[in-house]
Amino acid sequence: EAQVTQNPRYLITVTGKKLTVTCSQNMNHEYMSWYRQDPGLGLRQIYYSMNVEVTDKGDVPEGYKVSRKEKRNFPLILESPSPNQTSLYFCASSFLAKNIQYFGAGTRLSVL
Amino acid sequence: AQKITQTQPGMFVQEKEAVTLDCTYDTSDPSYGLFWYKQPSSGEMIFLIYQGSYDQQNATEGRYSLNFQKARKSANLVISASQLGDSAMYFCAMREAAQGIQGAQKLVFGQGTRLTINP
Repeated sequence: EAQVTQNPRYLITVTGKKLTVTCSQNMNHEYMSWYRQDPGLGLRQIYYSMNVEVTDKGDVPEGYKVSRKEKRNFPLILESPSPNQTSLYFCASSFLAKNIQYFGAGTRLSVL
Repeated sequence: AQKITQTQPGMFVQEKEAVTLDCTYDTSDPSYGLFWYKQPSSGEMIFLIYQGSYDQQNATEGRYSLNFQKARKSANLVISASQLGDSAMYFCAMREAAQGIQGAQKLVFGQGTRLTINP
């Protein structure tokens, strides 16, 4: 089954404790992206990747890191999480042509 | 400036009626794409329909159609014969060129419209 898989689905952590949210897709998509969703703000792009080793900042990259060492994986790293990073996070992937992005189920993160 | 505007925070519609969700966009890029996604209460984002800026005909996918009016920069979603399962948040999004990497693209989302279908 074609899918984008995020883990974990739910995470509660404390300020400053490094964490990684994994994202994997099995559709051989070149493009992958991370978004955060906050009430009243819709989805905002954090980082995106056009292919292996090709990544760039989105609209709200501060406090996040990503890597794209393999085509299928695009982890999101929070080196020192802060409470303002409490949010619902989505990973998405697509082919480059139309960029119809397919989303993972989401990761709900709370930083205390 | 807001690139995607969804002016209806919430809508209530009777089951089996058609419903139109509004979306206007702002871009100077001649090549762009417009999307609608559905987010039910379970939280996942479900792709519904896509319209390319050069597509001559309005996109349709089952009960969903996109009323694309390029001159007005509008891309409204029409759901025919609404069902209780259509109750969800609906997001309009636009693909546009991104700064940075050559050929990069990004999706910009509106704030969403919460649709409630009443029995």
